[in-house]
Amino acid sequence: QVQLQETGPGLVKPSETLSLNCTVSGGSVSSHYWSWIRQPPGKGLEWIGYISYSGSTSYNPSLKSRVTISLDTSKNQFSLKLSSVTAVDTAVYYCGSNPHEGVWTYWGQGTLVTVSS
Amino acid sequence: EIVLTQSPGTLSLSPGERATLSCMASQTIANNYLAWYRQKPGQAPRLLIYGAARRATGIPDRFSGSGSGTDFTLTISGLEPEDFAVYYCQQYGSSPRTFGQGTKLEIK
Repeated sequence: QVQLQETGPGLVKPSETLSLNCTVSGGSVSSHYWSWIRQPPGKGLEWIGYISYSGSTSYNPSLKSRVTISLDTSKNQFSLKLSSVTAVDTAVYYCGSNPHEGVWTYWGQGTLVTVSS
Repeated sequence: EIVLTQSPGTLSLSPGERATLSCMASQTIANNYLAWYRQKPGQAPRLLIYGAARRATGIPDRFSGSGSGTDFTLTISGLEPEDFAVYYCQQYGSSPRTFGQGTKLEIK
């Protein structure tokens, strides 16, 4: 059973870079597809992007210019970087995965990131 | 980008009743790659249905999905207390992956 755990700062200043890690247990980042999804408080879900086990990536065009998702096989984790954040980036950020890209069977518990000075 | 519109916004039913949730897409979803999730307050979403009609592992058979093309339905037969939550549809037939705005299923 794959388990995911998001870690990172809960508060980021405007214009800075949001950085989160997702640590994988019960599985290997060398298989499956690994995604980030976010949910502003009280609102719906937004797909941010994914990275495959081979390292290929795909991002939501609405965020593409500011997003980087990467794999660290030595730590069995993957990461999200979102640059030039503003208040609209305040959300619960989830990491998710599945053997097949597109849906998410496994989810982290989510971490709230607030963008504020 | 495919826009998914869910209806109704809120559905009020009693335990034991049958719930029918709708998801309409702005264009045809390739291969009927449509999924449904349930999200309880303070929790991550849980995958219920993928490929429009396939139940995910461990999902009870009171959950069923149907539809094709642009019109999809999630049916929950015999509502249990844990089913009162928010439900999202999501398409993965094209990029970017997109979600509906959600249907809140509340206790009447």
